[in-house]
Amino acid sequence: AQKVTQAQTEISVVEKEDVTLDCVYETRDTTYYLFWYKQPPSGELVFLIRRNSFDEQNEISGRYSWNFQKSTSSFNFTITASQVVDSAVYFCALTQNTGTASKLTFGTGTRLQVTL
Amino acid sequence: GAVVSQHPSWVICKSGTSVKIECRSLDFQATTMFWYRQFPKQSLMLMATSNEGSKATYEQGVEKDKFLINHASLTLSTLTVTSAHPEDSSFYICSARAQGYTYEQYFGPGTRLTVT
Repeated sequence: AQKVTQAQTEISVVEKEDVTLDCVYETRDTTYYLFWYKQPPSGELVFLIRRNSFDEQNEISGRYSWNFQKSTSSFNFTITASQVVDSAVYFCALTQNTGTASKLTFGTGTRLQVTL
Repeated sequence: GAVVSQHPSWVICKSGTSVKIECRSLDFQATTMFWYRQFPKQSLMLMATSNEGSKATYEQGVEKDKFLINHASLTLSTLTVTSAHPEDSSFYICSARAQGYTYEQYFGPGTRLTVT
């Protein structure tokens, strides 16, 4: 069975601080995809990134960066110079690449509060 | 591109009545749609997977007679909560997967259901 663990329930930082959100996953599959989503107070899920299991390159997109470490089954997300608009719940998710049967397994989410 | 809409965005109904939620893929054909449920401050839990033209596959513990899912076309899936009770109050989110893609899901904005 697949599992995604986000051990940090809530994080509070002051604006301009850097913050890292942790994600650890479990799967028996050799091919899989990892995702990060942002859920602001409005409730709509915002897709941030997708990474497949064969691509361990880290990625930077503006203030966001992701560190995928297959050896430790981790896919951590860092926000640099956080802003109040970054306040949201962030979900890490995992899916198997099994064709029509693929499903997403979500972590429990990390609530990020950025204050002035 | 890849826009998914849900209607209504919020609904209040009385206990014992039924309510229907629509999920539409606006600019692509969705062979598979997923329905999730999210309680306050919790993660998304997959309720069921529906493929166009066939019966939905429900996750363990989800009552299929209570949560009726119909995926009648490649752009529309509906979730009907029958004989709603206050404990059915939740945030319901749908997602759609485009034809030919096995892992990417596009999420709708969600429907907040309150049963009084």
